[in-house]
Formats: sequence, structure tokens, C-alpha cells
Amino acid sequence: SQTIHQWPATLVQPVGSPLSLECTVEGTSNPNLYWYRQAAGRGLQLLFYSVGIGQISSEVPQNLSASRPQDRQFILSSKKLLLSDSGFYLCAEGVGGNTIYFGEGSWLTVV
Amino acid sequence: AQKVTQAQTEISVVEKEDVTLDCVYETRDTTYYLFWYKQPPSGELVFLIRRNSFDEQNEISGRYSWNFQKSTSSFNFTITASQVVDSAVYFCALSTDFNKFYFGSGTKLNVKP
Repeated sequence: SQTIHQWPATLVQPVGSPLSLECTVEGTSNPNLYWYRQAAGRGLQLLFYSVGIGQISSEVPQNLSASRPQDRQFILSSKKLLLSDSGFYLCAEGVGGNTIYFGEGSWLTVV
Repeated sequence: AQKVTQAQTEISVVEKEDVTLDCVYETRDTTYYLFWYKQPPSGELVFLIRRNSFDEQNEISGRYSWNFQKSTSSFNFTITASQVVDSAVYFCALSTDFNKFYFGSGTKLNVKP
């Protein structure tokens, strides 16, 4: 299995504050990396994916952004959080070109 | 466009019952991959299985089995003799190019003792 580190695991932030969620992976070089969000009681929504350093594809226009400063680092950010940004954020890594594995997730509550 | 439908929002069974989770997919690509993931209460998604579109053989792994039928665009998941530890949300997913993975909305399985 892959090793995917996400932090922080839990976060409570006020509306309007910035956000930074970090994901680092171990293993193969140049992996595909993904950010998914899962709102309470709902399915998984792909937010961003990256096929390499500095390459970010956005799936849904929103209040969030992503960056990939290093090969195995993927960061999810926001300048000003909204209540609707609350949810469970999952980082994932594409392995072997045919499967993705997920990190443990980060719970974000915007208050 | 790619789409995955899991029509069963929530299923409740009693321990030792068999249960089947349905998954229907849509794609125009001839090459694609189907997946099942398990999300226990802890939240992390656990990879269960991957099938490619060229292999319609059913697969069995212990109490788990998967039935892939291209004719009906379905990839159903059966748990035999369910256990309380099987309680989780199960997601079916589809990918055609490994840049994007499309997930269904999930089926919450409650296994009662």
C-alpha cells in the first residue's frame, strides 16, 4: 500500500480565515496527485488533480486552489474560507497508472 | 461523459446475511477501469478491487465477490455472510485515463448483530 500523509487531521477555522492543507506521498516519483472533498453524508467530489510539479487541473470553480511545489507534495489552499468549505478532504495518489490510494483525510469545520 | 450511479443510498442487514451493492456506470470509452473502495467510520478510503474493461471474469476474495457485466454496464459487489465490521460506506468508481476518477455517491451498509 502507499504511504500518504495528510495534515492537519482536524481543523476548525472561522469564516474568512485562510486555509492550508498539506499532503505528501512516499514512493514512486512523478505520481498523479488528487484532492477530493466529501461533504457530510455525500459522495466524493474531485477538486484538483496534478500530473506533475506545477501542473494543476481544476475540476470545479470554487473558493479553493491547489499547488504542487515539489514532486511528492500537494497543497490545498484558500484565502478566505466559506461555511460551505466545511467537509472531509482527501488526498490521493495515482499508482502504477491504474489505481489511486487515499490518505487518512482532513476534517475541516468552518465556523 | 463518465458517470457512476449507486442507487442504494443505505442498506441494513443482519449479521450473516448476504448483501449486494449495485453499481451502474456510463462511459463511451472502450477502455476503462472500475473500482470499489470501502470507507469505514474512521474516514480513510480503502482500495478493494480494480477491474479493466477487457476482463469480465468475476472475482472472489474471501467473503467478497464482484460481478462485472458489460452488457448491463454494471459492477456489483456482494458480501457473503456479512459481519458487523463490514459496516461502512462503499464507493464504486470509474476511470478512463487515470487522470480522473469518477465516484458514485456511495452506499452506506449497516450490519446489525
